[in-house]
Amino acid sequence: AQSVTQPDIHITVSEGASLELRCNYSYGATPYLFWYVQSPGQGLQLLLKYFSGDTLVQGIKGFEAEFKRSQSSFNLRKPSVHWSDAAEYFCAVGAGWDMRFGAGTRLTVKP
Amino acid sequence: NAGVTQTPKFRVLKTGQSMTLLCAQDMNHEYMYWYRQDPGMGLRLIHYSVGEGTTAKGEVPDGYNVSRLKKQNFLLGLESAAPSQTSVYFCASSSNPNNEQFFGPGTRLTVL
Repeated sequence: AQSVTQPDIHITVSEGASLELRCNYSYGATPYLFWYVQSPGQGLQLLLKYFSGDTLVQGIKGFEAEFKRSQSSFNLRKPSVHWSDAAEYFCAVGAGWDMRFGAGTRLTVKP
Repeated sequence: NAGVTQTPKFRVLKTGQSMTLLCAQDMNHEYMYWYRQDPGMGLRLIHYSVGEGTTAKGEVPDGYNVSRLKKQNFLLGLESAAPSQTSVYFCASSSNPNNEQFFGPGTRLTVL
């Protein structure tokens, strides 16, 4: 069965520190991969997506993600976190109508 | 462009009452989706639509009905609300099923 796992429910980092959010998936074929961000009281906004090609993809707000087929992972990274990055982050995996979302990782940024 | 809008933003219902959530998009997208978001469970697809006049079931369709009479609107109905339907509901749209989905701001529904 298709599934998406975000192992970290909550992460706290200091402003200026690096960030890595983990995403692992189980999917029958090569899926489309997405990272979305949700600020409090808002809908989800796309950070980046991977369909094919270069396995390192760049997104908005300085985020990047790397697709590792052998590990079934699509981890999100940012070299230096800003206070405005505090939000909830969702990994989504799928193809066509079968889009599955992870449970989310809440990011807290310490001053 | 307003993008994707949802009406209402908040609603409280009593068990057994009915209501309709309205989603509207101005991006001329063919594909529209209704999700529910529950703590610790991410988003789960309720129903989706591939175009005007067409709808299909998603992962958790029971207790919900939908209609897409106009391309820009996608309605989600609860005929007899239950406490288990307390959730935040998100509507989304996309130009094709594998592309980025654009989300509305959500509707917080509480069923007492």
